Amino acid sequence: IAGITQAPTSQILAAGRRMTLRCTQDMRHNAMYWYRQDLGLGLRLIHYSNTAGTTGKGEVPDGYSVSRANTDDFPLTLASAVPSQTSVYFCASSDGSGGSNTGELFFGEGSRLTVL
Amino acid sequence: GQNIDQPTEMTATEGAIVQINCTYQTSGFNGLFWYQQHAGEAPTFLSYNVLDGLEEKGRFSSFLSRSKGYSYLLLKELQMKDSASYLCAATDSNYQLIWGAGTKLIIKP
Repeated sequence: IAGITQAPTSQILAAGRRMTLRCTQDMRHNAMYWYRQDLGLGLRLIHYSNTAGTTGKGEVPDGYSVSRANTDDFPLTLASAVPSQTSVYFCASSDGSGGSNTGELFFGEGSRLTVL
Repeated sequence: GQNIDQPTEMTATEGAIVQINCTYQTSGFNGLFWYQQHAGEAPTFLSYNVLDGLEEKGRFSSFLSRSKGYSYLLLKELQMKDSASYLCAATDSNYQLIWGAGTKLIIKP
């Protein structure tokens, strides 16, 4: 049982480079989310998707984009990375859509990104 | 604004009981979650409360008071493996999760 798979698990990249973090789930969940986690701060929502074909902006969307072409995949792209995007990124999914967030979130193992 | 407050760090002894508090201020409220996160790992679901009262699940219990904007997570018979961060998150009127910064729990033998 895979659940949610993220790749890469860790990456160092130069500022200005483009980077895509991949996220795949095999639970057929409708909703998917991208969070970043920084020391001393709570998880912050970057973008979300209630269902395939739709996406929405979270709390900190600037500098990031997402797509949801199908149920399973939800990649996060940094068009031109900056050092402030150094963080641990978690992809998550849930049964409910963003309009009924009463179900538990299932998280991937995280992608640790360092932008130099 | 919306806010979640929980202590940054707590220390407890193996075998003892510890209570981790969480207060929240949200625009509307649709439930409160607790997650456990071991260092370097992903958060995992512990509990969800939407009604006032205590929900017990083995060694872990979670309490909610909607009128006070308050919740706590109670861990009994502490084990070394309970050393982790505990994240409190409230769901607002738009069903968006507002996360606290987490409480790092250190268990000593």
